[in-house]
This record gives sequence, C-alpha cells and structure tokens, in this order.
Amino acid sequence: AQRVTQPEKLLSVFKGAPVELKCNYSYSGSPELFWYVQYSRQRLQLLLRHISRESIKGFTADLNKGETSFHLKKPFAQEEDSAMYYCALSGGTDKLIFGTGTRLQVFP
Amino acid sequence: GAGVSQSPSNKVTEKGKDVELRCDPISGHTALYWYRQSLGQGLEFLIYFQGNSAPDKSGLPSDRFSAERTGGSVSTLTIQRTQQEDSAVYLCASSGQTSGGIYEQFFGPGTRLTVL
Repeated sequence: AQRVTQPEKLLSVFKGAPVELKCNYSYSGSPELFWYVQYSRQRLQLLLRHISRESIKGFTADLNKGETSFHLKKPFAQEEDSAMYYCALSGGTDKLIFGTGTRLQVFP
Repeated sequence: GAGVSQSPSNKVTEKGKDVELRCDPISGHTALYWYRQSLGQGLEFLIYFQGNSAPDKSGLPSDRFSAERTGGSVSTLTIQRTQQEDSAVYLCASSGQTSGGIYEQFFGPGTRLTVL
C-alpha cells in the first residue's frame, strides 16, 4: 500500500539552527515525492519536488530509495519558515498521498 | 483567473442536511482533485477528475459523498445527510496535467465545513 509517514507532529527550533523534517514512504515502484507547505492563513503550495533537484527558500530534500526517505532539510532556519509542512507521494497515479504533516516553529 | 477558488469559505450545517461545495479551477486546467483535511488526519484524497470524467473515486468515504464536473471546469462536491465526522476542511486542487505526467497541483483556499 502507498503510505507517507511524518513521525513528528511538531518541530521547534531557534532561528539559525538546522532543520530536518522527516518523511518516510511506502511504495513498491518508483515514486515521485513532493514537499508542500502551508503558511498561516495561506493556501497549500508546492515547496519542492524530488525530480527537480532544486533548492527552494534554502530547503533541499534528497530521495533515498534504500531508506525510503525524503527528508526536508535547511541549514539555518528563519522565522518565516514557520509553517505546516506536508510530504506527499505520487505513485504513478494522478492523486497525491499526503503525510499527516509537521508543524515547524522557528523561535527568534 | 488568479487561482483556484472555492465557495463557500465556511459552511455550518445541521446533522442530516445536504451540502454542496463548489470549486472553480484555474482556467485551462484539465485535472481537478478534491481532498479532505481533518484535524490530526492530514490530507486525504477523495476524488480526481480528468475533464468531466472521474477515473479515480477511491477516496470517497461513503455513498453519501458524490462529485461532478461540468464543462471541464467547475466541480461540485455534494455530501448528503451530513454527519459530525464530515466536519473538515475540503480542499480542491487543479493541474494542467494530462495522462502520463505529474504536474504541480494548485490548491484552493478550502471550504471549512462544520456539522453540528
């Protein structure tokens, strides 16, 4: 079965600290993985996708097929990074399977 | 249009009533999706449209839920005989995807449904 697991409901860090939001997936084929972000009072939006291999707002994520992980990382967190982050999987069908989300709080 | 729009933004209804939620996708987007965001549950896929047809309805939780799309544009999600467990934020998304490709999904602001 296709599944996305985000083990942390809440992650709190201070400004300037490194951040890693964990995401593990279950899928037997070659998935496409995404990170979506929802800032306060804003709609859900795409942050990055593994196929693009790009860094957005200082965030990166590497697909590790051996560990079935797609952790989101940023070396120095900023207060404006505070938001809800969702990892999502597309397994060859058109729908997205989302994790339960991790709330990132960055304190000044 | 500027983006995906949904109406109403908030809906409060009594248990047992029917509700209709509307989604206007980005003009020209062929694919349209409905998701449900419940407290502590993350986002749950409900149904997917490609044009006016729905090749994947696997996420609809019961036969009280139905959706249609007309003219390859506007979609309506209908919940009949609402129950308290239907309370959630219902999100709509659209993409310019055609079969065989995975394109970015653009989300609307959601409709917050509260069933009393």
